[in-house]
Amino acid sequence: QKEVEQNSGPLSVPEGAIASLNCTYSDRGSQSFFWYRQYSGKSPELIMSIYSNGDKEDGRFTAQLNKASQYVSLLIRDSQPSDSATYLCAVTLLSGSARQLTFGSGTQLTVLP
Amino acid sequence: DGGITQSPKYLFRKEGQNVTLSCEQNLNHDAMYWYRQDPGQGLRLIYYSQIVNDFQKGDIAEGYSVSREKKESFPLTVTSAQKNPTAFYLCASSKQGPSNQPQHFGDGTRLSIL
Repeated sequence: QKEVEQNSGPLSVPEGAIASLNCTYSDRGSQSFFWYRQYSGKSPELIMSIYSNGDKEDGRFTAQLNKASQYVSLLIRDSQPSDSATYLCAVTLLSGSARQLTFGSGTQLTVLP
Repeated sequence: DGGITQSPKYLFRKEGQNVTLSCEQNLNHDAMYWYRQDPGQGLRLIYYSQIVNDFQKGDIAEGYSVSREKKESFPLTVTSAQKNPTAFYLCASSKQGPSNQPQHFGDGTRLSIL
């Protein structure tokens, strides 16, 4: 079982729609959760951090965290073609005696004009 | 502007050669990291450092070495022992260790074998 799991996609949505990206993780003790956006050929860019159960909104982005279900999601409202990228979920997981940031393999999102 | 600078952007390695990737940050961050990304995959941790003159192995440290002589700098050497070095290498930093701080990335170095 992968420690941080995402649907690889590709996920296609029409322009203006809501894109929903999901991530599950294996460590019940995880406290920190991040979403990164990575355009093709570029490095990851942090777009959201969430630490508490519930929703966190920032512009068109909403991160949702449910620690009991070990589930974190990212919603993108009013999707634009410029949102087309790979979205990486990252979770701090216990590795040995320390917590490490562990990345999922990413979900490729395409927003169709 | 503060940020993380990686160089070179592209690097080619010959068989049996060691190569060094540079990573410099002016964010005054304590922690620095090296990741490897292969096509269609997530990031895998090679090494990390939470303080000067100290570093720890990540999940895939074999064939790599690092040093942390200055807070601002965390170079990565890909040794000849790394038999499959072709990948996108990313350096990151965070204010403190990895437990709850977001990491910020440089632009990356693409390494290929000649």
